Amino acid sequence: AQKVTQAQTEISVVEKEDVTLDCVYETRDTTYYLFWYKQPPSGELVFLIRRNSFDEQNEISGRYSWNFQKSTSSFNFTITASQVVDSAVYFCALSEGNNNDMRFGAGTRLTVKP
Amino acid sequence: DAGVTQSPTHLIKTRGQHVTLRCSPISGHKSVSWYQQVLGQGPQFIFQYYEKEERGRGNFPDRFSARQFPNYSSELNVNALLLGDSALYLCASSLADRGPSPLHFGNGTRLTVT
Repeated sequence: AQKVTQAQTEISVVEKEDVTLDCVYETRDTTYYLFWYKQPPSGELVFLIRRNSFDEQNEISGRYSWNFQKSTSSFNFTITASQVVDSAVYFCALSEGNNNDMRFGAGTRLTVKP
Repeated sequence: DAGVTQSPTHLIKTRGQHVTLRCSPISGHKSVSWYQQVLGQGPQFIFQYYEKEERGRGNFPDRFSARQFPNYSSELNVNALLLGDSALYLCASSLADRGPSPLHFGNGTRLTVT
């Protein structure tokens, strides 16, 4: 069965600090997809990134970077030089190749203080 | 282009009543999924429809039902409401019915059952 664990319930940092959000997943499938979503106070889940199980290349997009390691079943998300606008709840999610549902972690609430 | 739209945005119902939530997907998206997000938790999969057919069902009682119309919009129905049904109900659309296609979420309908 698929499972996503985000052990950090809440993180608080001061603006310009770097912060890493952890995500550990479980799956028996060899084909799967990992996602990160951001949920600001407005409630809408905003898609940030998708990774498939065959591509372990790390990715950088501006201040955001993602570290995918199959050996540890982790897909961590780092925000460099955090800003107040980064304050939100961040969800890691897993979709197995033959399943129709996306399994979400419990989320990490990030607060960036000025 | 318009994103996923959901209506209503807020709803207050009494135990035992019935509710219908509506969703319009992004133009061109044929897959619609419904998720329930209880406060402080990640979204949980309820249903997925693709080309008007049910493609997946999560672990929810039969009081929950859904359908998809020829224009790919969708309704989620919940009968005999319980206090525990109070949650944010999220609709998401995607291009494909499974796998790598990321979900694009609406702002949700916040349902309060009293």
